[in-house]
Amino acid sequence: GAVVSQHPSRVICKSGTSVKIECRSLDFQATTMFWYRQFPKKSLMLMATSNEGSKATYEQGVEKDKFLINHASLTLSTLTVTSAHPEDSSFYICSAKAGSEYEQYFGPGTRLTVT
Amino acid sequence: GQNIDQPTEMTATEGAIVQINCTYQTSGFNGLFWYQQHAGEAPTFLSYNVLDGLEEKGRFSSFLSRSKGYSYLLLKELQMKDSASYLCAVMDSNYQLIWGAGTKLIIKP
Repeated sequence: GAVVSQHPSRVICKSGTSVKIECRSLDFQATTMFWYRQFPKKSLMLMATSNEGSKATYEQGVEKDKFLINHASLTLSTLTVTSAHPEDSSFYICSAKAGSEYEQYFGPGTRLTVT
Repeated sequence: GQNIDQPTEMTATEGAIVQINCTYQTSGFNGLFWYQQHAGEAPTFLSYNVLDGLEEKGRFSSFLSRSKGYSYLLLKELQMKDSASYLCAVMDSNYQLIWGAGTKLIIKP
């Protein structure tokens, strides 16, 4: 099956710093990648959708200047949390899909803790 | 607005059968997904229904009724490892996934 990796799996950073999370599709070309955020015991919240080579589409309420998304190639998308604050602490999950396929393949997630 | 409803928590016994229901109201419909998510991990795909009826895959089955806006996930021969959250998600007319809050399934020996 299709494999999506995420790096790092866990990161602790200080308030005010920036953190970059990478999402890679290892064995397929991901024309579309999704970034989700999940709070404890809550469902996934879609933050943004990115198509390779174009700007990400952000969901309402998600600050695009704070959560920078780059989908530079068909196998890599990055999410950068800029000037992180403790309230940005969360579980961030990416997913990817190829072409017109309906199924999204999820990465293992990144646990971000901002102190 | 768009809405996905599923029970918050369910408890079942090892070896038994459990049915997790999901009702939805979305703008458009392009399929319904069930995912399993263990604590601290990403969701894993279980099933996809786009036509009415029952899809069986080993111990897991998923049912869809589009006219009723209703689906269920049926888990048979429950094992302790089935303890997880089960997420129902509907793909709307824009091909975006609308997620339910998940049902935490607790399996007791």
